Amino acid sequence: KAGVTQTPRYLIKTRGQQVTLSCSPISGHRSVSWYQQTPGQGLQFLFEYFSETQRNKGNFPGRFSGRQFSNSRSEMNVSTLELGDSALYLCASSGGQGLRAFFGQGTRLTVV
Amino acid sequence: DQQVKQNSPSLSVQEGRISILNCDYTNSMFDYFLWYKKYPAEGPTFLISISSIKDKNEDGRFTVFLNKSAKHLSLHIVPSQPGDSAVYFCAASTPQAGTALIFGKGTTLSVSS
Repeated sequence: KAGVTQTPRYLIKTRGQQVTLSCSPISGHRSVSWYQQTPGQGLQFLFEYFSETQRNKGNFPGRFSGRQFSNSRSEMNVSTLELGDSALYLCASSGGQGLRAFFGQGTRLTVV
Repeated sequence: DQQVKQNSPSLSVQEGRISILNCDYTNSMFDYFLWYKKYPAEGPTFLISISSIKDKNEDGRFTVFLNKSAKHLSLHIVPSQPGDSAVYFCAASTPQAGTALIFGKGTTLSVSS
């Protein structure tokens, strides 16, 4: 089975712009979660989608949003980028093995 | 407030010895715990998990112990190998949160040969 695929791997954006990140989960997995990893805060949960519906949401501002498509692929969007949004964004998919989440390699976003 | 804490940022161990990584939590509603390993520039890789109805789970060289009364879990790696050098994250979930995981900040394990 192919793993979780995230695109792009690296991204540089300017403050104030918006960005969209993409995640293709493992085939058959219906749950997709997004996490932000920064050196100071570690891995923080952003939101989770299941069958195209947001099921859980972390404590992030409304500038962070996401969606899931009928094929379980998911996108997250960050609008009005700030320097502090520079981070590794990780996507994880789950399904069929309890709560075990399988992570992609992440998208490294740098805001300048 | 940090609900999952890994109080040791780093740990150094010699090859062949035991590595013990610790994790404390504050939320008594957590009922499922996981350990992940992460290499630089890669996503976390699942290692082992434990449900709150158990106090021990083993998988090869990896054993996780859960002490619910102390709200403490630990990961034992025996014997440690140089390839185990990575950042280890403890994570937890509540029944309501499902697959939304709360992570600790990680412990960097260095295994020297």
